[in-house]
Amino acid sequence: KAGVTQTPRYLIKTRGQQVTLSCSPISGHRSVSWYQQTPGQGLQFLFEYFSETQRNKGNFPGRFSGRQFSNSRSEMNVSTLELGDSALYLCASSGTGIIRNEQFFGPGTRLTVL
Amino acid sequence: AQSVSQHNHHVILSEAASLELGCNYSYGGTVNLFWYVQYPGQHLQLLLKYFSGDPLVKGIKGFEAEFIKSKFSFNLRKPSVQWSDTAEYFCAVNAKNRDDKIIFGKGTRLHILP
Repeated sequence: KAGVTQTPRYLIKTRGQQVTLSCSPISGHRSVSWYQQTPGQGLQFLFEYFSETQRNKGNFPGRFSGRQFSNSRSEMNVSTLELGDSALYLCASSGTGIIRNEQFFGPGTRLTVL
Repeated sequence: AQSVSQHNHHVILSEAASLELGCNYSYGGTVNLFWYVQYPGQHLQLLLKYFSGDPLVKGIKGFEAEFIKSKFSFNLRKPSVQWSDTAEYFCAVNAKNRDDKIIFGKGTRLHILP
């Protein structure tokens, strides 16, 4: 079974630009969560999508948004980039029932904002 | 709201030393608990999990963790570490039986000296 894939793997943007990151979950997984990982802050939860609906949301500004498509693929968008948005953005997928609670992570997208 | 606290941000040990990484959570209800590991250059992966039953759970690569409900703790242990255990370790929690987000601690960076 193929794992979680994320594209692109690396991105360099400048302040004020916007960016879209993509995540393809494991086949059959309907839940996709996004996290921001930075040194010293660990993984901070951005949001979770389940069956095309946002099920949970973290404490990030409205510049961070996401969506999920009918095939469970998800995109995350960050508008008006700031230097502090430089981070590794991780996507994780999970199944249903009790296994919904075990997350499988992708390799991440390393975003650098200059 | 749940929160997770990992006591040590950076731990340095020699090979064959014993390891214990602390994790405490705050949440009044029943929880699922996890330890994830991120080896250098690799994806985050599940090390072990506790859903119910025996509070002493065993994971991959000789790791184990004990859930002590009265202390809201889920400490990770390994009797004898190896150089290959050098990695970052994350404790995580989510509320059982709810479609609630999974909260991660800030991580503990473990460095094993050969």
